[in-house]
Amino acid sequence: KAGVTQTPRYLIKTRGQQVTLSCSPISGHRSVSWYQQTPGQGLQFLFEYFSETQRNKGNFPGRFSGRQFSNSRSEMNVSTLELGDSALYLCASSLVAGGEDTQYFGPGTRLTVL
Amino acid sequence: QQQVKQSPQSLIVQKGGISIINCAYENTAFDYFPWYQQFPGKGPALLIAIRPDVSEKKEGRFTISFNKSAKQFSLHIMDSQPGDSATYFCAARRRANNLFFGTGTRLTVIP
Repeated sequence: KAGVTQTPRYLIKTRGQQVTLSCSPISGHRSVSWYQQTPGQGLQFLFEYFSETQRNKGNFPGRFSGRQFSNSRSEMNVSTLELGDSALYLCASSLVAGGEDTQYFGPGTRLTVL
Repeated sequence: QQQVKQSPQSLIVQKGGISIINCAYENTAFDYFPWYQQFPGKGPALLIAIRPDVSEKKEGRFTISFNKSAKQFSLHIMDSQPGDSATYFCAARRRANNLFFGTGTRLTVIP
């Protein structure tokens, strides 16, 4: 069974631009969560989608948004990029929502904001 | 505010030694405590997890010890091997909610 895939793997943007990251969950998984990983803060929860609905959201500004499609693939968007948005963005999929079962992480998208 | 506090930040252990990583939490509603292992260039992978109704769980060389009254839990890696060199994250979750992660411990096992 293929794992969680994320595209692109690396991205370089400049301040003020916007970016869209993509995540394809494991086949059959309907829940997708997004996390931001930085050296100082570790992994911080962004949001979770289940059946195309956002069911949980972390403490991030409105510049961070996401969506999920009917095939469970998810995208996250960051608008008006800031230097502090440089991070590894991880997505994780699970069969059900709310972390009731194991979350499987993708390799992440490394975003660098110049 | 960090919901889960993890220490140490980095750890160096000789091959064959015991690696111990500690985590503490405040929210007594947390009901699931997993540990994740992350290698460079990879996403975190679930290593072992425990629920608060047990005080210890062992899987191979990896053991979680859980102290509910102290609101602390720890990961013990017995007979540490160079292949265990990675970053380890503890996490906690309350029912039907997201995971809160610790800040990570970079483990280096010296041959």
